[in-house]
Amino acid sequence: DAGVIQSPRHEVTEMGQEVTLRCKPISGHDYLFWYRQTMMRGLELLIYFNNNVPIDDSGMPEDRFSAKMPNASFSTLKIQPSEPRDSAVYFCASVRAPNTEAFFGQGTRLTVV
Amino acid sequence: DQQVKQNSPSLSVQEGRISILNCDYTNSMFDYFLWYKKYPAEGPTFLISISSIKDKNEDGRFTVFLNKSAKHLSLHIVPSQPGDSAVYFCAAIDWGGAQKLVFGQGTRLTINP
Repeated sequence: DAGVIQSPRHEVTEMGQEVTLRCKPISGHDYLFWYRQTMMRGLELLIYFNNNVPIDDSGMPEDRFSAKMPNASFSTLKIQPSEPRDSAVYFCASVRAPNTEAFFGQGTRLTVV
Repeated sequence: DQQVKQNSPSLSVQEGRISILNCDYTNSMFDYFLWYKKYPAEGPTFLISISSIKDKNEDGRFTVFLNKSAKHLSLHIVPSQPGDSAVYFCAAIDWGGAQKLVFGQGTRLTINP
């Protein structure tokens, strides 16, 4: 397996534009987590899914953020409209329960100008 | 609400000496604790974990200690090597409950020759 795949690796967009980040988890993994890396909070959990169902989205900062997982092999994190303070590195990770090790993608570095 | 806290943003250690990274948590329901290592421009990678029913787990140069009464865990690296220079994240999950994998802010470890 190629591991968790995220795209794009880098995204530069203008304020107000819609941004979509993509994640392909490892096949067979039943949990998917979206994180945002910030200096203050480290790896901040935004939302996670179990068997494609969103379980907890309490970490999503605002209504401008939304996430979907239409099937077991694909998830998206959308920001609409984007703002400069959304600039960060966004990570996706997947886990196969009951294992505790989460495998991370390489992240998407988002810059909103 | 930061449930997992790493209060030291950075740590500098001489090569060959012991590195000790600390982590505190607030949620007594956490049943697994993990340490991740992160290099620049890469996703975090799993290093070592410990179940809440244990107080120590060792893997080569890496040992994790858990003190449940103090809600504290630590990662010991002995001996420290230049390749250990990275950001280390502490994480915790309550598989029996909310099943949220939450991370601390991270500690940047620098090993000096």
